[in-house]
Amino acid sequence: GEDVEQSLFLSVREGDSSVINCTYTDSSSTYLYWYKQEPGAGLQLLTYIFSNMDMKQDQRLTVLLNKKDKHLSLRIADTQTGDSAIYFCAEIPFSGGYNKLIFGAGTRLAVHP
Amino acid sequence: EPEVTQTPSHQVTQMGQEVILRCVPISNHLYFYWYRQILGQKVEFLVSFYNNEISEKSEIFDDQFSVERPDGSNFTLKIRSTKLEDSAMYFCASSEQRSTDTQYFGPGTRLTVL
Repeated sequence: GEDVEQSLFLSVREGDSSVINCTYTDSSSTYLYWYKQEPGAGLQLLTYIFSNMDMKQDQRLTVLLNKKDKHLSLRIADTQTGDSAIYFCAEIPFSGGYNKLIFGAGTRLAVHP
Repeated sequence: EPEVTQTPSHQVTQMGQEVILRCVPISNHLYFYWYRQILGQKVEFLVSFYNNEISEKSEIFDDQFSVERPDGSNFTLKIRSTKLEDSAMYFCASSEQRSTDTQYFGPGTRLTVL
């Protein structure tokens, strides 16, 4: 079946790197996404990676994909207090071609001075 | 930058009442979605909509739920007779093409059923 798992909480010091991990079960997933949710706000698309890529870098964000282990990670360099939020990993499994996002439970990132 | 908007931001209703949640997707997008997030739980897919009909729906999306695109801009989710367990944050999303798969989300409507 389709499932996405994430650790629930991560605490880092300001200026350090944060690494948020995610595992997924559907090997047919085409795209994998990271969304950010700040308190009281909606889901903001951060970045995504296509399943035929191993890595994608976008400014302070680096996404690594290990397709063999079905493992996705998001690295945030030089983490700032403004990065404090919940980060959701999501996949789109190829279930007939429709765009149903399957989300993980979210990782709450706390950045402290 | 274009964005998805949703109204109201918070809706309080009595059990058994009908509610309509409204969304304005990004204007050139063709695919529309509703998701919900019960407090403390995962974001769950409800329904996808394309070309004026439902493309896919989840088990949650039973006969109490319906979606509509009443005009060229709005996309609505109706819950006919709300239950306590319908209390959740409801997110609307839209995407330009099915093949690109990138979905952009609105800020959500918090529904509280008393």
